[in-house]
Amino acid sequence: AQKITQTQPGMFVQEKEAVTLDCTYDTSDPSYGLFWYKQPSSGEMIFLIYQGSYDQQNATEGRYSLNFQKARKSANLVISASQLGDSAMYFCAMRAYLEAAGNKLTFGGGTRVLVKP
Amino acid sequence: ETGVTQTPRHLVMGMTNKKSLKCEQHLGHNAMYWYKQSAKKPLELMFVYSLEERVENNSVPSRFSPECPNSSHLFLHLHTLQPEDSALYLCASSQDLAGGTDTQYFGPGTRLTVL
Repeated sequence: AQKITQTQPGMFVQEKEAVTLDCTYDTSDPSYGLFWYKQPSSGEMIFLIYQGSYDQQNATEGRYSLNFQKARKSANLVISASQLGDSAMYFCAMRAYLEAAGNKLTFGGGTRVLVKP
Repeated sequence: ETGVTQTPRHLVMGMTNKKSLKCEQHLGHNAMYWYKQSAKKPLELMFVYSLEERVENNSVPSRFSPECPNSSHLFLHLHTLQPEDSALYLCASSQDLAGGTDTQYFGPGTRLTVL
């Protein structure tokens, strides 16, 4: 079975500063993918970034980067130069390719980020 | 229209009503999903369809009935719901179920309130 843990229920960040959102995962599957999504108050889940378990380099996508530490089973999201529009819930999710049929994503409980001007 | 759209965005229904949620994806994807997001609970996968065939049903009560008439449309038919079914229902789609094209893209959701 897969499990995703996000230990920070909420956090404040100053505009223009960087913020790191923690995510740890647990799976016995050697092949898996890690995803981060952003959910503004409007409700839509917006895909941000993906990291495959066999990827040698950390994923980056604009102001988003994923700090992937495989041995520690962590996949922290780093948002650089925070903007007011970054205020939202952030979810870490995992897909275990061998164990989870039907492209099932397991989600963490989320971290609420509030960017202060 | 682009991406994944859902209608209605908000729905209030009584326990004896029958209603349907609609999802449409404009991405040319082959797989579609229904998720339930309740307050203070992680997202729960309800149903998965691939090429209009259901491939996953995560022990969802029969009062929720999905329908996928084609690869672009997905419905969730609701009948005799309970107040605890009040939640945000999210639809998602992906190119396929695996093979590096499995990133799921979500719609804006339907916020359902059952009275």
